[in-house]
Amino acid sequence: SAVISQKPSRDICQRGTSLTIQCQVDSQVTMMFWYRQQPGQSLTLIATANQGSEATYESGFVIDKFPISRPNLTFSTLTVSNMSPEDSSIYLCSVGQGGVADTQYFGPGTRLTVL
Amino acid sequence: AQKVTQAQTEISVVEKEDVTLDCVYETRDTTYYLFWYKQPPSGELVFLIRRNSFDEQNEISGRYSWNFQKSTSSFNFTITASQVVDSAVYFCALSEGYSGAGSYQLTFGKGTKLSVIP
Repeated sequence: SAVISQKPSRDICQRGTSLTIQCQVDSQVTMMFWYRQQPGQSLTLIATANQGSEATYESGFVIDKFPISRPNLTFSTLTVSNMSPEDSSIYLCSVGQGGVADTQYFGPGTRLTVL
Repeated sequence: AQKVTQAQTEISVVEKEDVTLDCVYETRDTTYYLFWYKQPPSGELVFLIRRNSFDEQNEISGRYSWNFQKSTSSFNFTITASQVVDSAVYFCALSEGYSGAGSYQLTFGKGTKLSVIP
């Protein structure tokens, strides 16, 4: 399986600011995904990021709030914009090759606290 | 619609006991995949197993075993002789339903927090 890293691993931010989270994979992958895990909750998919195209957002998530970049097949960023305390969560990226049989592998996550 | 139910929110066992984590799913598709992931306190999700809807054979990997029963739409996970290192949140997930952009929706259950007491 791919080795996935995320930066930063954790951060504490002030309300109204923005944070960009990086996800780096050690091999080329077709699909990259961004999830949010609110405290004590399950994972919710924010968006799917394909290289060379706009990210596809799930219901309840918008590009203005969570802009995503996917400049190549090994890297993606997620920005959490104009943060509020409700954005305090773990943000995880995952990678896969697509398809119903695809196994997603996850990065270590970024723990975000918004004050 | 798809849904994954993990009815056990938290389980505590004493070390060396066996424990079973339940997972019940709902889907209208005939082709789908089921997964289990482990999330230790560090936060990273660790992939444990993938099973497709056409393979109902039970699987064993060391102290871990999985029981897939389509008749009851269940995919239960048993840890034999539990250890403290097994303490984590375990998620069951279902993949089916094309969600666009070349991907298939992976839906997670709410997770079961397992605490193994020494």
